[in-house]
Amino acid sequence: DIQMTQSPSSVSASVGDRVTITCRASQGISSWLAWYQQKPGKAPKLLIYGASSLQSGVPSRFSGSGSGTDFTLTISNLQPEDFATYFCHQANSFPYTFGQGTKLQIK
Amino acid sequence: EVQLLESGGGLVQPGGSLRLSCAASGFTFGSYVMNWVRQGPGKGLDWVSAITASGGDTYYADSVKGRFTISRDNSKNTLFLQMNSLRAEDTAVYYCAKPRDSGYDAFDYWGQGTLVTVSS
Repeated sequence: DIQMTQSPSSVSASVGDRVTITCRASQGISSWLAWYQQKPGKAPKLLIYGASSLQSGVPSRFSGSGSGTDFTLTISNLQPEDFATYFCHQANSFPYTFGQGTKLQIK
Repeated sequence: EVQLLESGGGLVQPGGSLRLSCAASGFTFGSYVMNWVRQGPGKGLDWVSAITASGGDTYYADSVKGRFTISRDNSKNTLFLQMNSLRAEDTAVYYCAKPRDSGYDAFDYWGQGTLVTVSS
C-alpha cells in the first residue's frame, strides 16, 4: 500500500498569511494527488486534482505542485473561511490512501 | 446538479450487520467508478471500497476485506455497502464519493455521510 505522510499536523496562521502543507508518498504516484478541505460536520471539498489543477469554483489563492513522491499545497493570502482541515489523497492505485490531515488554525 | 444521498446508518452491536445505500442523481451514474470513504470520530479519511462502472470489479481496504461487500444497481442509480461482522473500529461516518473523471481520479462530489455506530 502507498503511505501518504502529511505535514505539519497542525499550523497556526493569521489572515493574509501564506501557508504551505506538504505530502510525501511512500512510492511514486506520478501526478495522481488531490487536496481536500474539510470543515467540521461537513464532507470534504475537492480543491486540487492532478497535483496542480484547480477544481472549478475554488479560489486561485489555492495552488498545488509536485509530482512523483513530493507534493505541496499552498494557500496565499489566507481568508477567514480557509481555517479548516486539509487532506491529501493518492488516486494512483488501490487501495487509495489519504494523509493524516493538517488542521489550519487562526493564530 | 450532482447529488449523492447516503442512508442506512445507525447503531448496531458488535458482530452485527448493516446495509448502506447511496442514491445518486445529476450525472450518468452507470458510467462512473464509485467509492465509499469513512471517517472515524475525530479521525482522518479512510478509503473503504470501490466498484467499477459495470460492477464487474470491486476493491477493498484490507481492514474490511471479507466483511464488507460493495455493489450497485445502475438501473436505480444506487450504490450499496453491505457490512457484516461489524467491529467497534468500524464506527464512522460513511461517505459515498464520485470521481472527477469516470474512472480513477480525485473525488469531486461527496454525499453528506451516514453515521454507523458499533457498540453494545
